[in-house]
Amino acid sequence: GAGVSQSPSNKVTEKGKDVELRCDPISGHTALYWYRQSLGQGLEFLIYFQGNSAPDKSGLPSDRFSAERTGGSVSTLTIQRTQQEDSAVYLCASSLNGGRAPDTQYFGPGTRLTVL
Amino acid sequence: AQSVTQLDSHVSVSEGTPVLLRCNYSSSYSPSLFWYVQHPNKGLQLLLKYTSAATLVKGINGFEAEFKKSETSFHLTKPSAHMSDAAEYFCVVSDGLSNTGKLIFGQGTTLQVKP
Repeated sequence: GAGVSQSPSNKVTEKGKDVELRCDPISGHTALYWYRQSLGQGLEFLIYFQGNSAPDKSGLPSDRFSAERTGGSVSTLTIQRTQQEDSAVYLCASSLNGGRAPDTQYFGPGTRLTVL
Repeated sequence: AQSVTQLDSHVSVSEGTPVLLRCNYSSSYSPSLFWYVQHPNKGLQLLLKYTSAATLVKGINGFEAEFKKSETSFHLTKPSAHMSDAAEYFCVVSDGLSNTGKLIFGQGTTLQVKP
């Protein structure tokens, strides 16, 4: 079956612009995660969705970052007023269930964001 | 807090020789541990996972890892390296404290395989 897909694969934007990154999880997966991979910080957690709710937003680096998930499926990560330090690869992962005994997370190919 | 430490940022081996990528973990709970691989310009792929069953875990492509609680280690091994094994490898622990299943990644080890 289809894996996790993300769009766009690459995004170049100017400092101060807003960007939206999209994630389509594997069908039937209730848990969805966003991570960020950057040279300086490695791979770090951003936000976790269970269904449409986000019980853990602890990894979002600032209030310029927000995310939503609709219909228990597609998720959008929005970055407002982008800064150069936002340049990174944004990865989405989904799993059948989240929680304390989570299932395997399957990752999408990522969106490479470059802020000029 | 839970964390993983990958002891080598870069490992270089010759094709056909054994691979050892080292990982130590810190966890106040019985951890769920994983190894993921990332080939250049590709997504993260699960190699194997430990979830408190057998301590020796076999994964894909001939990789395996042994969970050693006394040493808080979860090293990844392969008897014979192949050129296609060249990639970035991440040791990962699932955050059992947050009840979300979010993953905590090590800094990664780049594996170079020389012909």
